Order: sequence, then structure tokens, then C-alpha cells
Amino acid sequence: SQQGEEDPQALSIQEGENATMNCSYKTSINNLQWYRQNSGRGLVHLILIRSNEREKHSGRLRVTLDTSKKSSSLLITASRAADTASYFCATYNNFNKFYFGSGTKLNVKP
Amino acid sequence: NAGVTQTPKFQVLKTGQSMTLQCAQDMNHEYMSWYRQDPGMGLRLIHYSVGAGITDQGEVPNGYNVSRSTTEDFPLRLLSAAPSQTSVYFCASSYGVGDGYTFGSGTRLTVV
Repeated sequence: SQQGEEDPQALSIQEGENATMNCSYKTSINNLQWYRQNSGRGLVHLILIRSNEREKHSGRLRVTLDTSKKSSSLLITASRAADTASYFCATYNNFNKFYFGSGTKLNVKP
Repeated sequence: NAGVTQTPKFQVLKTGQSMTLQCAQDMNHEYMSWYRQDPGMGLRLIHYSVGAGITDQGEVPNGYNVSRSTTEDFPLRLLSAAPSQTSVYFCASSYGVGDGYTFGSGTRLTVV
């Protein structure tokens, strides 16, 4: 399977702290994307990073991609209680398919 | 602008029954797909379509059929429901292949 695997599976932090989640994958990709899922809801697209990019920012989100290590990280700075959710990475290859990992469950305590 | 609309939101089926999960998008997206989400297993791709009239299989296609007669609609059919198909089903679409997805709110299916 080309699924990304997120690490850690669960993360609990205090409001205001930074949260870092990692994603590893197995084969070459065209791009990698991060999604957020609030409990019982659909996934929401956060950010897309292409295979020729190393870092990307969007608001309090910072994503890095290391294609040599087949890994990516998502950093959420100055976390808020509203950031409590599950976060998934998804890899897209050149065969028209996305693969999702099993997610990191983030709990931000007020 | 409704985005991706899935119906129904909840469904209980008996083993052997058939049903169709509906998915419609109003964003003129070419790429549509169906995923199932099970606890601890993330999302697994069932079927996808790169445009009207074109469909293909994902990771877990067995027991499911799809068709794409229009750009807007991408229904998922369960031919003979089994308890192993108890899951939450998500439909997603994107403007082009490889672009970020817009997800529907999901259908929670229980097969008894």
C-alpha cells in the first residue's frame, strides 16, 4: 500500500503550544496534502505541497516535505482549542489515486 | 454553492439488501471519488472517476459499483450488503486530478 502513516497516533498539548505531526509514505508522489477532520464531520483540505517544494506556509500551518526520506511534517503554531481534530496526510501519485493515512488525533487543552 | 452533497446521512441495512449512496457536486469538478472510513484504518479508496463516463477501481472495490453519467453525480451502489460494509462513507471531488479535495459530510451505514 502507498498509504501515508502519521506519527504520533495521538497528541495532547496545552493551548498556545506548537503541535507537530509527521507523515511517512512508501513510493514516489506527485504531491502531498494535509486534511483536518472534526469529530463526526467530513475532511477539510488544509494545504498541498508538491514534490518539488520543500516547505509551505498557510497562516499558523507550516508543512515540510523531504522526498529523499519520503516524509512530511505538519506544524501548527500557537495551537487553540478549536484545533482539536484528527489530521490526515494524503499522497497523490501519477496514477490518479490518493491514499490517506490513519491520522493523528490532536487534543488541545484550554 | 452547496459543495458536495451526500444522501442519506444515516442508513441501516439488512444483510443482502442493496442500496445506492448518492453524491452530487455543483462545483464542476472533474475528479470524484468514494472512500470508506473505519476506526484505526484511515480512509480507503473504493472507486474514483476522472470525468463523466470514466470510472476505475481503488483499493477496496469489491462489493461496490459506481457510474458517472454526468459531471455532477457519482452514486455508489452496494449490490448485496454485508456486515463488513458497515462504515462511514465519504464522497469527495476536486477540480482536477491531484488537486485538493472537497468532501461531503458522509453517510454512516450499518449492516445488520
